[in-house]
Amino acid sequence: GAVVSQHPSRVICKSGTSVKIECRSLDFQATTMFWYRQFPKQSLMLMATSNEGSKATYEQGVEKDKFLINHASLTLSTLTVTSAHPEDSSFYICSAGQGLAGGPGTDTQYFGPGTRLTVL
Amino acid sequence: AQKITQTQPGMFVQEKEAVTLDCTYDTSDPSYGLFWYKQPSSGEMIFLIYQGSYDQQNATEGRYSLNFQKARKSANLVISASQLGDSAMYFCAMREDDRGSTLGRLYFGRGTQLTVWP
Repeated sequence: GAVVSQHPSRVICKSGTSVKIECRSLDFQATTMFWYRQFPKQSLMLMATSNEGSKATYEQGVEKDKFLINHASLTLSTLTVTSAHPEDSSFYICSAGQGLAGGPGTDTQYFGPGTRLTVL
Repeated sequence: AQKITQTQPGMFVQEKEAVTLDCTYDTSDPSYGLFWYKQPSSGEMIFLIYQGSYDQQNATEGRYSLNFQKARKSANLVISASQLGDSAMYFCAMREDDRGSTLGRLYFGRGTQLTVWP
């Protein structure tokens, strides 16, 4: 099956620093990647949709200058949390899709293992 | 209005028994897809099963089956012969415009924490 990796899996940083999280599709080309945020015991909240070669589409209420997303290739998207603060501490998960190569409705989003960010 | 509703915050089932996790959805789009994901304590999201709105038969994947009742807008997950390793959070999700040309976003429910006891 399709594999999506995320790096790092855990990161602890000081307040005010920037943190970059990578999301890679290892064995397929992902035209679209999604970035989610999840607080403890809560659902996944979509932050932004990232299409290769174009600007990310952010969900309402998500600061695009705070959460920079770059999707430079068909296998890599990055999320940079700029000037991180303790309230940015969360679990960040990416997902990637292959598109409709298998026909309508057969594509599936595959999720990375997530990155746990702790801002001190 | 919420697009996905999971009304069971927690469910308990004994090993080897079957369990049903509820999910209702709300959409006016005639083409949509319904998904179930499992999230163990490690945090990874594991895809379990998919049901398209035009599919005539209920989806099945091993011990997982999806009880799709279109008129009721429900897509309950049935896990047969529960195992201790099934203990996890389970999320129901929906994608609208399932036959569109681009990969659409998923709307997630709040999840159901399943605990399997011996």
